[in-house]
Amino acid sequence: DQQVKQNSPSLSVQEGRISILNCDYTNSMFDYFLWYKKYPAEGPTFLISISSIKDKNEDGRFTVFLNKSAKHLSLHIVPSQPGDSAVYFCAASVWNAGNMLTFGGGTRLMVKP
Amino acid sequence: DGGITQSPKYLFRKEGQNVTLSCEQNLNHDAMYWYRQDPGQGLRLIYYSQIVNDFQKGDIAEGYSVSREKKESFPLTVTSAQKNPTAFYLCASSSGPYSNQETQYFGPGTRLLVL
Repeated sequence: DQQVKQNSPSLSVQEGRISILNCDYTNSMFDYFLWYKKYPAEGPTFLISISSIKDKNEDGRFTVFLNKSAKHLSLHIVPSQPGDSAVYFCAASVWNAGNMLTFGGGTRLMVKP
Repeated sequence: DGGITQSPKYLFRKEGQNVTLSCEQNLNHDAMYWYRQDPGQGLRLIYYSQIVNDFQKGDIAEGYSVSREKKESFPLTVTSAQKNPTAFYLCASSSGPYSNQETQYFGPGTRLLVL
């Protein structure tokens, strides 16, 4: 049973526009959420995180929104750049549970010039 | 530069052979993790270690073994019991072991292929 799901395997956007990547979770115990960016044959790079006590966290072009009632989070990238083309993973963890991360299946973002 | 190194970048395994993947970190992190990524899929946890000389099984530990004799090192052995070892293996670390909401940082990965 997948506890973290990214239902869109791919997303294509035009350079300069907004990219919105979505993630749903089923475990209501999750209280910390992260987004990672991954290029082929490389390790994931941490992008941004959000605690369950917040509903928004912003870092430069990246903003993560958390809707606890819907068990949904999203990553907004504005403006999108060709260098943002990569696979994006969302991950979640439970407080005091050893920091174990549960990952979604990933969404491939393609930003067209 | 602080970071996580994994070696080798590519590794070939023959049938029935055990192979060991190296993971070293100089971030002074207590916790280390091993994940496996299959094509088109997310990362799945194989083993993790919150502190030296202690480690726990993750979701897919069968056919793998680890050791944690030093804080900076967490090698993963893929044994002959692992019937489908071809995958991309990722090592991660976090400051841990019992901190809340810690971010994990990843190494560059090792791709294992079966001959």
